[in-house]
Amino acid sequence: GAVVSQHPSWVICKSGTSVKIECRSLDFQATTMFWYRQFPKQSLMLMATSNEGSKATYEQGVEKDKFLINHASLTLSTLTVTSAHPEDSSFYICSARSTSGNTIYFGEGSWLTVV
Amino acid sequence: GENVEQHPSTLSVQEGDSAVIKCTYSDSASNYFPWYKQELGKGPQLIIDIRSNVGEKKDQRIAVTLNKTAKHFSLHITETQPEDSAVYFCAAIMGGGADGLTFGKGTHLIIQP
Repeated sequence: GAVVSQHPSWVICKSGTSVKIECRSLDFQATTMFWYRQFPKQSLMLMATSNEGSKATYEQGVEKDKFLINHASLTLSTLTVTSAHPEDSSFYICSARSTSGNTIYFGEGSWLTVV
Repeated sequence: GENVEQHPSTLSVQEGDSAVIKCTYSDSASNYFPWYKQELGKGPQLIIDIRSNVGEKKDQRIAVTLNKTAKHFSLHITETQPEDSAVYFCAAIMGGGADGLTFGKGTHLIIQP
């Protein structure tokens, strides 16, 4: 199957700093990438949808100035958590939809811990 | 928007028995229904999917059925094995649309040896 790579897989940062998470589609082009957040023992919550070359669309309740998303190419999207706080600690997962169909593949996720 | 309900939240079966997880969706425009398996600390892995022009799809021990009229779809795992233990999520999406997947709340499948 198609491969979506996320980096870093885990990161610890101090309160008030910013951290960037990358999502790459390794063997296919992705017109659309999605960012999810998942708390322990819960389902995935869609945060935002990003389309290559345009601004991301954020779900209700997600602060766009706090969670900056950039989808600069058909194979790369980044999520930057700005001025991170402990409550931002979570498992962040990206997914990508290939240009050739509707199949959506997920990355392995990134654990963020804010201390 | 779309709303996906998934049942049960926890399912325990004996190794070798079958497991069935059921989902319902609300948006009749949804036409793509994937199932994901998520192991602890990892991202979801696509295990099987079905599109609205098909009623059933099978891949070895895994099958998915779709009833468009009733707006529900199910995952069937036969001859369960210990490595099938994981959390399974159903999802729905309108193909070709710009929206992301709407997930069910997940089912924790436990295979008892």
